[in-house]
Amino acid sequence: KNEVEQSPQNLTAQEGEFITINCSYSVGISALHWLQQHPGGGIVSLFMLSSGKKKHGRLIATINIQEKHSSLHITASHPRDSAVYICAVFLISNFGNEKLTFGTGTRLTIIP
Amino acid sequence: EAQVTQNPRYLITVTGKKLTVTCSQNMNHEYMSWYRQDPGLGLRQIYYSMNVEVTDKGDVPEGYKVSRKEKRNFPLILESPSPNQTSLYFCASSLMSSYNEQFFGPGTRLTVL
Repeated sequence: KNEVEQSPQNLTAQEGEFITINCSYSVGISALHWLQQHPGGGIVSLFMLSSGKKKHGRLIATINIQEKHSSLHITASHPRDSAVYICAVFLISNFGNEKLTFGTGTRLTIIP
Repeated sequence: EAQVTQNPRYLITVTGKKLTVTCSQNMNHEYMSWYRQDPGLGLRQIYYSMNVEVTDKGDVPEGYKVSRKEKRNFPLILESPSPNQTSLYFCASSLMSSYNEQFFGPGTRLTVL
C-alpha cells in the first residue's frame, strides 16, 4: 500500500466548477506540499501545510492532521488550471532523513 | 531571476556510457534533491543534500551518484546507464530542508538505449 494516496486519479470538469482533489496518508507527517505540474512538464510549488488552511487566489488547501487527509480546492476553475496536481509529504518516520514521499498525482482537465 | 537550471534538457544515450546531468541554483539554498518521474509511479527521490559535502540516499539511489562540492551545484552522475534509467529527471532546491517550499528545475528527459 502506498503511503500517500491521491484521488481522483483523473478529473474532468467544466469551466467554472468547484474542484476538490484529495490526498490521504497512512502515517504521521510533519508537513505536506501541494505541487502543480504543467502540461509542458514544469513543476511549481503551490502550498506547504503543517496545519489548518491556506489560500492563494482561487486555490485553497486544507489539512486535517488527525484524519491524515488534505484537500486542494480550486474555485471558479479555468482551462489554465488544467495540470497534474501532486501532494508530497514529509513523514515523521523520516525525521533525521529529509525525504519527501509523493502521491502519483491527479490529472485535472477543465473544459471551456 | 531566481531559478534552478538543469542541463541537458534532453539526452539520448546508450547503455554503459557515463553521463552527468548538471543542476545549479542561484538562491543560496542549502537543500538540493534529485527526483525521477515515471508513468504510474510518480516522483521518487534519488538523492538529496542538506549542504556542501552532505548527501544522503533517497528511495531509489541504485545506479546513481551525486556530489555537492559547491552550494549552488548538485550534479547527478550515471556511471553506467541502463535502459531502466530512462526517465524524466528533476532537480529541486529549498532554503534548508524538505520542509520548505521546493523550487524545481525544468526537467531532463533521458533515454537510454
